[in-house]
Amino acid sequence: EPEVTQTPSHQVTQMGQEVILRCVPISNHLYFYWYRQILGQKVEFLVSFYNNEISEKSEIFDDQFSVERPDGSNFTLKIRSTKLEDSAMYFCASSDQGAYYEQYFGPGTRLTVT
Amino acid sequence: GENVEQHPSTLSVQEGDSAVIKCTYSDSASNYFPWYKQELGKRPQLIIDIRSNVGEKKDQRIAVTLNKTAKHFSLHITETQPEDSAVYFCAASAPETTGNMLTFGGGTRLMVKP
Repeated sequence: EPEVTQTPSHQVTQMGQEVILRCVPISNHLYFYWYRQILGQKVEFLVSFYNNEISEKSEIFDDQFSVERPDGSNFTLKIRSTKLEDSAMYFCASSDQGAYYEQYFGPGTRLTVT
Repeated sequence: GENVEQHPSTLSVQEGDSAVIKCTYSDSASNYFPWYKQELGKRPQLIIDIRSNVGEKKDQRIAVTLNKTAKHFSLHITETQPEDSAVYFCAASAPETTGNMLTFGGGTRLMVKP
């Protein structure tokens, strides 16, 4: 069964550095999402992406964050200047249709900012 | 915005017993409620979902009930088995107003003792 994949599984970076988290959604899916989970807290929505543009974004998704679909398969999340509070598990998800349809999650990337 | 609260945070049951996890939501526009299961070290996976046009949905040992008036929904697992041990997340979505973003509850760690 097709799965969403994410790389790397764990990323350690220094405060102020840029990081790019990579995701390969399921191949025929059209809707893409990023969520994050700070340790011990809820899973939080960051951004959704459809038709090569952002559909919705949360208050967390400020100017430090950006998303891109650089080719037909990858979906990336960039954090320009990481802060300690960006340390979290970042989940990518995709769905073949929009509302009311399953979002398939990747295994996550654990980002540690030191 | 939407707020989803989930209880209990941990639940321990004997194999064969039933388990019930409850969630409340705040946004009356929410009308899609998925439940995800996350086993240790694995990705969240959808186990069941319900739309607001029905009050209950069953799939083998798993059922979800929805009370739109009271704004709460519950997951029921009957005849629990050790492999049901995992963290369960409820979520809510209001596609007509805020798109496909999922707002998650805080999770319930279910432990099924053999």
